[in-house]
Amino acid sequence: QKEVEQNSGPLSVPEGAIASLNCTYSDRGSQSFFWYRQYSGKSPELIMFIYSNGDKEDGRFTAQLNKASQYVSLLIRDSQPSDSATYLCAVTNTGNQFYFGTGTSLTVIP
Amino acid sequence: GAVVSQHPSRVICKSGTSVKIECRSLDFQATTMFWYRQFPKQSLMLMATSNEGSKATYEQGVEKDKFLINHASLTLSTLTVTSAHPEDSSFYICSARRDTYYEQYFGPGTRLTVT
Repeated sequence: QKEVEQNSGPLSVPEGAIASLNCTYSDRGSQSFFWYRQYSGKSPELIMFIYSNGDKEDGRFTAQLNKASQYVSLLIRDSQPSDSATYLCAVTNTGNQFYFGTGTSLTVIP
Repeated sequence: GAVVSQHPSRVICKSGTSVKIECRSLDFQATTMFWYRQFPKQSLMLMATSNEGSKATYEQGVEKDKFLINHASLTLSTLTVTSAHPEDSSFYICSARRDTYYEQYFGPGTRLTVT
């Protein structure tokens, strides 16, 4: 079992819709959870992090964490074509070891 | 967000030569930096964890004598690819960890081509 699992996609949503990206993790000791966006040919960019159960909102992005069920999700409201990218989920326990998912490819169709 | 720079952004070198890549955290101090490699359409692959003032920790299968890492200050880590070969051609990305919530900020990456 992988430490972090994501659906590789591709996930396609129409412009203006809500995109929902999911991630599950295996280490119950995980403390911090991150979502990165990576455009093709570019390096990852941190868009959200969350460390306590519940929702965290930042603009059009909402991260949701459920430690009991060991999943973290990212919702993108009012999706735009510029949101088309690969989204990476990452988790860490102590900050020295990070586990990245393989990423979910999102395409927003105009 | 925090800013991490990487230099050079692109380098072409001949087989057998060495290449040094610099990674700097511009607006925060980073006791820990990470070096990744990414091949086209593949996932990030962690190469090593670099801690300021101590030796780097390399992932299994990464040759420490080939990929030399130095983390001499809280804002600078360098990766030197020694005796580069065409199979070392890849996208090398560094990140710096901020200790607030352990979030990593990535540099823009260095595209290395070995001819």
